Amino acid sequence: DIQMTQSPSSLSASIGDRVTITCRSSQNIFTYLNWYQQKPGKAPKLLIYGASSLQSGVPSRFSGRGSGTDFTLTITSLQPEDFATYFCQQSYSNPMYTFGQGTKVEIK
Amino acid sequence: QVQLQESGPGLVKPSQTLSLTCIVSGGSVSSGSHYWSWIRQPAGKGLEWIGRIYNIGSTNYNPSLESRVAMSVDASKNQFSLRLSSVTAADTAVYYCAGGAFDSSGYFHFDHWGQGTLVAVSS
Repeated sequence: DIQMTQSPSSLSASIGDRVTITCRSSQNIFTYLNWYQQKPGKAPKLLIYGASSLQSGVPSRFSGRGSGTDFTLTITSLQPEDFATYFCQQSYSNPMYTFGQGTKVEIK
Repeated sequence: QVQLQESGPGLVKPSQTLSLTCIVSGGSVSSGSHYWSWIRQPAGKGLEWIGRIYNIGSTNYNPSLESRVAMSVDASKNQFSLRLSSVTAADTAVYYCAGGAFDSSGYFHFDHWGQGTLVAVSS
């Protein structure tokens, strides 16, 4: 299986901060990488697909970069509604999809 | 807008079979455009893909669960189902149904999710 490792596992940030979350895969997955946002008690929501494509309706303050084994999700100006847990997911080894362990973004 | 809703018992005894159903609305489970998956999340942990069903009967399962998993589709009710046999406490989790699709560039992603249902395995 392709292992996905996120860092940090949690972070504290303030409104307006720039936040970057990292996801690393155990092997080359090119740009087959998606990012999801999950709020407590809710289903995950797709933010970014293909490593850098913004899902329709997702604010432009979210962006994704990377290819190969190293990827980042950046929120340029953190808003109150962005406090959530973020997961990466690889789709290279179709259909054996694997997810990162998640990064919880908390209010400082 | 496609919406998914899971249903099923919230408590299952060890060694028994967990059965869940996902009702699809706003779209067709037999359309062929989506691959219908089950994904689970133990409390405080990450997401684990269990398997998927597509084209009204083709399936792929996570090898770690394959010997215990079965998925099926009921096109007449526009729903798909999960059966997980011989459950243990390790199968306690929130179970999500999700719809995934390939975009024009060949990237696959889950773009529709149910709200999730908690299933506890306990005697």
